[in-house]
Amino acid sequence: GAGVSQSPSNKVTEKGKDVELRCDPISGHTALYWYRQSLGQGLEFLIYFQGNSAPDKSGLPSDRFSAERTGGSVSTLTIQRTQQEDSAVYLCASSLVGGGLFSEAFFGQGTRLTVV
Amino acid sequence: AQSVTQLGSHVSVSEGALVLLRCNYSSSVPPYLFWYVQYPNQGLQLLLKYTSAATLVKGINGFEAEFKKSETSFHLTKPSAHMSDAAEYFCAVSEGSSASKIIFGSGTRLSIRP
Repeated sequence: GAGVSQSPSNKVTEKGKDVELRCDPISGHTALYWYRQSLGQGLEFLIYFQGNSAPDKSGLPSDRFSAERTGGSVSTLTIQRTQQEDSAVYLCASSLVGGGLFSEAFFGQGTRLTVV
Repeated sequence: AQSVTQLGSHVSVSEGALVLLRCNYSSSVPPYLFWYVQYPNQGLQLLLKYTSAATLVKGINGFEAEFKKSETSFHLTKPSAHMSDAAEYFCAVSEGSSASKIIFGSGTRLSIRP
């Protein structure tokens, strides 16, 4: 597609439920990132994919969080047993390559997750 | 491993005044540097990027940044602030390997006083 697409744009869920957030990167982009942004805060790195593998999962806050990427394209971030502190905007970004001349990241509009 | 530090989580300037947002990086190899802007309730968009072609990089909306290797800095400036510049600004760095990844700073919120 023309840009990074995230769905849903908004999600309200009850505490304890599982949620899945989807990211469609720009076609051909090998690198994909997930970030979390809480109200008025900066970007919190969650996970980085190079192709289908995740060389850096260091930002996942707990084992309730997992992510996968299939076919070098679509990625899904899953949060199990959601807690109120998971409420935030989840941002996905992709870049042609991870580093170097074409490493600029293109961001989606985010998924606003609210846990009630 | 590369890293980036943004000094000042919040900067406030008067309309028409100089804007200076500070960014220092750490990298073991020549870096690629970026500034992103996030306007209220919007996504992040690229403001400008340094890719070693020129040390002074001009971006959108009158912003520019200068790469100073000796100071490991990539500060963002604009000669005259406009109310519409109020936003969150993020500095980012990546290294030369296609297998590395981009690293973002913690962000600086810019407020403009009338």
